Amino acid sequence: DGGITQSPKYLFRKEGQNVTLSCEQNLNHDAMYWYRQDPGQGLRLIYYSQIVNDFQKGDIAEGYSVSREKKESFPLTVTSAQKNPTAFYLCASSTGRQNTEAFFGQGTRLTVV
Amino acid sequence: DQQVKQNSPSLSVQEGRISILNCDYTNSMFDYFLWYKKYPAEGPTFLISISSIKDKNEDGRFTVFLNKSAKHLSLHIVPSQPGDSAVYFCAARGYNNAGNMLTFGGGTRLMVKP
Repeated sequence: DGGITQSPKYLFRKEGQNVTLSCEQNLNHDAMYWYRQDPGQGLRLIYYSQIVNDFQKGDIAEGYSVSREKKESFPLTVTSAQKNPTAFYLCASSTGRQNTEAFFGQGTRLTVV
Repeated sequence: DQQVKQNSPSLSVQEGRISILNCDYTNSMFDYFLWYKKYPAEGPTFLISISSIKDKNEDGRFTVFLNKSAKHLSLHIVPSQPGDSAVYFCAARGYNNAGNMLTFGGGTRLMVKP
């Protein structure tokens, strides 16, 4: 089955710790994205990558870092510099071509304790 | 500034009736629009899309209308079913938008009452 997988589904972090969220896709998509959803709000773009070894900041990149060493993988690190890390994190991928949709993973809920 | 807005945070509809979800945008460079459906603690799933060269796209019970001059799109669900209860996000993408990333609205929670 082709799809996009995020892990873990739930993650707890102590204040001051870095944590990495996993995102893997086997759809052969070039583009991958990380979004954040807060309660009652829409999805805000954190980082995106159009191609391996390249990525760009989105609207709310501060306190986050990413890497794109492989086409299939786009891990997101939430660093201790992120002031309000508790949120629902969504990874997506697309072909990157015009007029195509993005496919989302099931999300990771991160809670800072 | 929000480039994509869904001004109604929630909508309640009786089963069998029509649900109309609205979305407004400000960026005239957007040329492709999508609707996603989202259940709690899950990722959004793609529902239907429309290119700016069209004003209507239909897929079963779902129809999306686009009014470019008003920078407005709407999603019609008819007839509405209890299983349609979810949060609906509209999203937009711009021509030559680097990365082809989507800009999302804030979502509208639809509740379909049996």
